[in-house]
Amino acid sequence: KAGVTQTPRYLIKTRGQQVTLSCSPISGHRSVSWYQQTPGQGLQFLFEYFSETQRNKGNFPGRFSGRQFSNSRSEMNVSTLELGDSALYLCASSLSREETQYFGPGTRLLVL
Amino acid sequence: AQSVAQPEDQVNVAEGNPLTVKCTYSVSGNPYLFWYVQYPNRGLQFLLKYITGDNLVKGSYGFEAEFNKSQTSFHLKKPSALVSDSALYFCAVRDTSPFSGNTPLVFGKGTRLSVIA
Repeated sequence: KAGVTQTPRYLIKTRGQQVTLSCSPISGHRSVSWYQQTPGQGLQFLFEYFSETQRNKGNFPGRFSGRQFSNSRSEMNVSTLELGDSALYLCASSLSREETQYFGPGTRLLVL
Repeated sequence: AQSVAQPEDQVNVAEGNPLTVKCTYSVSGNPYLFWYVQYPNRGLQFLLKYITGDNLVKGSYGFEAEFNKSQTSFHLKKPSALVSDSALYFCAVRDTSPFSGNTPLVFGKGTRLSVIA
């Protein structure tokens, strides 16, 4: 079975731009979560989706948004990028909220 | 609110020696506990989990962890460390209390394990 895939793998943007990251979960997985990883803050929870519904949202500003499609694929969007948004963005999928999360390789975003 | 602590930023161990990476947690109800490992420029790989049952959980690559409810700990262990075990290790917890609502999976800050040949 194919693992979680994330596109793009690397991205360079400038301040003020917006970016959309994509995540394709493992086939059959209906729950998708997003995390931001930085050296200083570690892994911080962004969103959790299950069957196209946002079940949880982390403590991030409204510039961060996401959605999940009927095929369980998910996207997250960051508008008006700031330098501090530079991070590794990780997506994880699971069969349900209680099951083990399996992570993708991440998208490394650099904001200049 | 649920939380998880990994008290050591860095653990150094000689190859062939046993290793322990510590994790303590705080939840309202019963915990679901997980360990993940991250190699450079990679995502997180699942190692093992505790949901219920036997307190000693065995996982991938020879790792195991012991759930201790009284000490609210879930330390990761391996009897004999390998240089290839050098990586960043994360402990995570989800609170299953019905009074906590839809709580997300919460991760510790991570512990960098260095195994020296």
